[in-house]
Amino acid sequence: GENVEQHPSTLSVQEGDSAVIKCTYSDSASNYFPWYKQELGKRPQLIIDIRSNVGEKKDQRIAVTLNKTAKHFSLHITETQPEDSAVYFCAASSGDSSYKLIFGSGTRLLVRP
Amino acid sequence: ETGVTQSPTHLIKTRGQQVTLRCSSQSGHNTVSWYQQALGQGPQFIFQYYREEENGRGNFPPRFSGLQFPNYSSELNVNALELDDSALYLCASSPAGRSNTGELFFGEGSRLTVL
Repeated sequence: GENVEQHPSTLSVQEGDSAVIKCTYSDSASNYFPWYKQELGKRPQLIIDIRSNVGEKKDQRIAVTLNKTAKHFSLHITETQPEDSAVYFCAASSGDSSYKLIFGSGTRLLVRP
Repeated sequence: ETGVTQSPTHLIKTRGQQVTLRCSSQSGHNTVSWYQQALGQGPQFIFQYYREEENGRGNFPPRFSGLQFPNYSSELNVNALELDDSALYLCASSPAGRSNTGELFFGEGSRLTVL
């Protein structure tokens, strides 16, 4: 069935270092890959997304890469700041139902000051 | 621009009871999706509504049902509550139509505890 695996489950970095979170998906028909940030007790908020016709997208300190052949996509955060601490979720659109997102299990990122 | 609003924010029910959760979509959005987020997990798709019709359903039993109204607001109903139904229920709206993917705008969620 449809599945998105996300690693690592927890990640601790020093302020200023980079953080990388990786996801793999199973459905080759997936064509939309968003990343959400969820702070404690808050709603998930979209931070960046990428579509299957693009290999990389960048927005200031955040970048996402997509390898459709390998069914991998990754989130890269550079120059991390304490306010980047949160849970990050990757997601992939469902191939047979493009309106449906399949989420990974989340990565808890801690940026140490 | 008004965002997605959900009510109630928190509620406690006992096993076997029924619950109704409500969602007002963001202005201009005609599609509403519901997700269940168990503690420490990613959101799981329950169903989506477009033009007042269910537009797809995840792996949830029939006791999970919903409605969408002409103003695009929506309800999630859960009958015969079970302990495992305890979760954060997230509503998300989007301007996308029946088959488009696009950004989901989430509400703050309704946290349901079943005792």
